[in-house]
Amino acid sequence: QVQLVQSGPEVKKPGASVKVSCKASGYTFVNYYIHWVRQAPGQGLEWMGIINPSSGATNYAQEFQGRVIITSDTSTNTVYMELNTLKSEDTAVYFCARSSGWYLAIDYWGRGTLVSVAS
Amino acid sequence: IVLTQSPGTLSLSPGDRATLSCRASQSVDSGHLAWYQQKPGQAPRFLMADASSRATDIPDRFSASGSGTDFTLSISRLEPEDFAVYYCHQYGTSPRTFGQGTKVEIK
Repeated sequence: QVQLVQSGPEVKKPGASVKVSCKASGYTFVNYYIHWVRQAPGQGLEWMGIINPSSGATNYAQEFQGRVIITSDTSTNTVYMELNTLKSEDTAVYFCARSSGWYLAIDYWGRGTLVSVAS
Repeated sequence: IVLTQSPGTLSLSPGDRATLSCRASQSVDSGHLAWYQQKPGQAPRFLMADASSRATDIPDRFSASGSGTDFTLSISRLEPEDFAVYYCHQYGTSPRTFGQGTKVEIK
């Protein structure tokens, strides 16, 4: 079955960086795009960006441009999301999710990774 | 594209019909609008794509419609497991965006 297994919770200080992983299994990795979506405590969903794991092509939401890097490793079927210069407002659950096309619906989500930013 | 969902909260009883609205600030390309259900502590669950196509294993009490800027998700007869937060999501224009959610709670 499809699985998107994310790395464990992180606690970071303001100004630091965090790198969250998302390991895919149960489907052909290069045939699906991976998105990152975050959810602050008690808030809604916010789309951060997308990667084509096969080509490495990415697209980021303007809000995160210059601060987020999404990469993929086809040898391990893993996608990474690195967020730099963390602020307290970055405290959120970060989800990876997949879609079968750049402009197609997200059909499966990972369970999420809590990133807490506090001094 | 800004998506505005209404109402913010819907208080209903099991067996009731639920009607959720999602309005876009501009036309959603090719009806590329999806709906997700989220329960506390869980990831969102995919319900609908392309404004009206049910995802795999989604019961037929869920239906959706709409085009352009106005979209609706309906749940014909609420089951206990349907009480959750529902989000609409447009994926036709970058950046993708989500509505702020509608909470369907037990009255």
